[in-house]
Amino acid sequence: AQSVTQLDSHVSVSEGTPVLLRCNYSSSYSPSLFWYVQHPNKGLQLLLKYTSAATLVKGINGFEAEFKKSETSFHLTKPSAHMSDAAEYFCVVGYTSGGGADGLTFGKGTHLIIQP
Amino acid sequence: DAGVTQSPTHLIKTRGQQVTLRCSPKSGHDTVSWYQQALGQGPQFIFQYYEEEERQRGNFPDRFSGHQFPNYSSELNVNALLLGDSALYLCASSLRMTGIAKNIQYFGAGTRLSVL
Repeated sequence: AQSVTQLDSHVSVSEGTPVLLRCNYSSSYSPSLFWYVQHPNKGLQLLLKYTSAATLVKGINGFEAEFKKSETSFHLTKPSAHMSDAAEYFCVVGYTSGGGADGLTFGKGTHLIIQP
Repeated sequence: DAGVTQSPTHLIKTRGQQVTLRCSPKSGHDTVSWYQQALGQGPQFIFQYYEEEERQRGNFPDRFSGHQFPNYSSELNVNALLLGDSALYLCASSLRMTGIAKNIQYFGAGTRLSVL
């Protein structure tokens, strides 16, 4: 069984300062890990994914995440926050079986607030 | 290239009624997964359809059922609606390729179901 824990329900940063959203996972197997973003009244958009290649993963809009197996963590970072980054962020774990993607397990989400 | 489309966008039902939600996958995708997202929570996996069969199921009662059509589109049916079924229902599509883990699910904007 797998689970995802997002350590902060809310994170508030000033525009132009770094962003850190923390995520720990629990898994019996080697998982695929994702970060999705959800803007108000919009669907989920994939930010980045880790699938056992490079441990530092670069995504869209300047976000990146580092997979640390020893710490079972997959924290999301961005060097400089922009007002448009304000949204709900989900850390997600997934597996493949029979060649296809299984149902995903989501964390509870971190609400990112950007102060002007 | 159309992404994942869902209909309707909003729906209001009363307790005990039945509801059907619809999803058209992204062009070229053959697998559809459904998720329930309660207010303030992360999405929870309901089930996944591939080759017109339910392939995987999350922890949801039999009141939740689905169908996939030959054109890969899908329906989610919920019988005997409860107040607690009020949520955003998300559809995600992916491509299942034997031996290759594509493992990326693309989400629609969702259907907001309110049960009164």
